[in-house]
This record gives sequence, C-alpha cells and structure tokens, in this order.
Amino acid sequence: QVQLQESGPGLVKPSETLSLTCNVSGASISSYYWSWIRQPAGKGLEWIGRLYTSGRTDYNPSLKSRVTMSVDTSKNQFSLKLSSVTAADTAIYYCAREDPIWGWFDPWGQGTLVTVSS
Amino acid sequence: EVVLTQSPGTLSLSPGERATLSCRASQSVSRSYLAWYQQKPGQAPRLLIHGASSRATGIPDRFSGSGSGTDFTLTISRLEPEDFAVYYCQQYGSSPRFGQGTRLEIK
Repeated sequence: QVQLQESGPGLVKPSETLSLTCNVSGASISSYYWSWIRQPAGKGLEWIGRLYTSGRTDYNPSLKSRVTMSVDTSKNQFSLKLSSVTAADTAIYYCAREDPIWGWFDPWGQGTLVTVSS
Repeated sequence: EVVLTQSPGTLSLSPGERATLSCRASQSVSRSYLAWYQQKPGQAPRLLIHGASSRATGIPDRFSGSGSGTDFTLTISRLEPEDFAVYYCQQYGSSPRFGQGTRLEIK
C-alpha cells in the first residue's frame, strides 16, 4: 500500500522560501510521476507542479517563477521549494502520486498546513 | 487552458436520495482525462472516478460517472451519511485543473 507523508516547517516568514518534503513508502519513487497540490483554507485545489524521476518538471504557469521541485531517489522522497512567499501562499500543501498516462492523483498525503506570517 | 465549472455550488439532500453533480468544461476534454474526488473535512481528497466513468479501487458502486465532451456528471444513487462531503472534478493536462467544488450537505 502506497503512502505519502509531507513534512516541513508550519510557519514561514514573508519573502522567505517554503520548503516541504514528501516521503513515499510502499512503492518506488522511480515508477511514477509525483505532484504537489495546495488548498487555502475553505477554498479549492490548486495544482503546483509535477516531477518526473528523470528530473524533468512541469509547473503551474502562475507559480512557475517561484517553484522548484526535486527528487532524492536514494531516500524515496521528493521536495518542493516555493520562494518569495506571501500570505496568499498560506494553505494546506498535499503531495500526491500522479498517474503518468491518465493524470489522476492517487493516493494523496494527509497534507501539511503552512502559514506565511511574520 | 480548460476551466472546469461545477454546479450546483451546494446541494442539500437527505440520506437515501439520489445526488447528481455536474462538471462543465470550457472546451472539450477527453473522457480519459476526467476524474472526480471526494473530500471530507480535515482529510485529503480521495479519488472516486477516473476516465470519467471508472470507479477507483474500493469505491462503492453507488458512485458512478458519465459524460463526454464538455459535460460530465457524478451520480450517487442512494446517499449514505458518509457521502456528505465536497466533490471536485479534475482534468489532466500539461497544467491540471480542478473545478471549484460542490458541497453536498444533509438537508
């Protein structure tokens, strides 16, 4: 059974960089695509970007200039960095496995709340 | 880019009733690339339907999906108490998009 678990600071100061890691268990990270998705409180879902284990990445055009994703296959985990954060980046951040052909997301991590505040 | 519009925003029904949720795309979407998710308070979304009509593993058969082109539907045949949640549709693409969600609440 594949499980994903996000980790990282729950509080980030404005203008700094948000850094999160997703640990994957129950499957090799080398076999799928992996995505980050976020959800502000009480709002809908926004796809942030995906990572192929080849190192290729695709990012949401609205966030592209601030997003970096990377993978560590030796640890079976992947990471998200979002720079120059503002209060608008406060959200629950989810990592998820993405089907490489049909593009659905399953499973998801439980999510981690990141608050941007001084 | 495709925009997904879900309706209604909120649906109030009673257990045992039939729920019909709509997802309309701003341009034609391949059936293969349309999915539905259920999200309960405090939980991550859960995949219900992929390929517009295929139930994900472990999803009860009271959930069904249909549609093509720009109009897709999620139907819950007989509502159980645990089905009251928020539902999202999603389309696959170079930049995946989600609908804004439909809240299914107990009447």
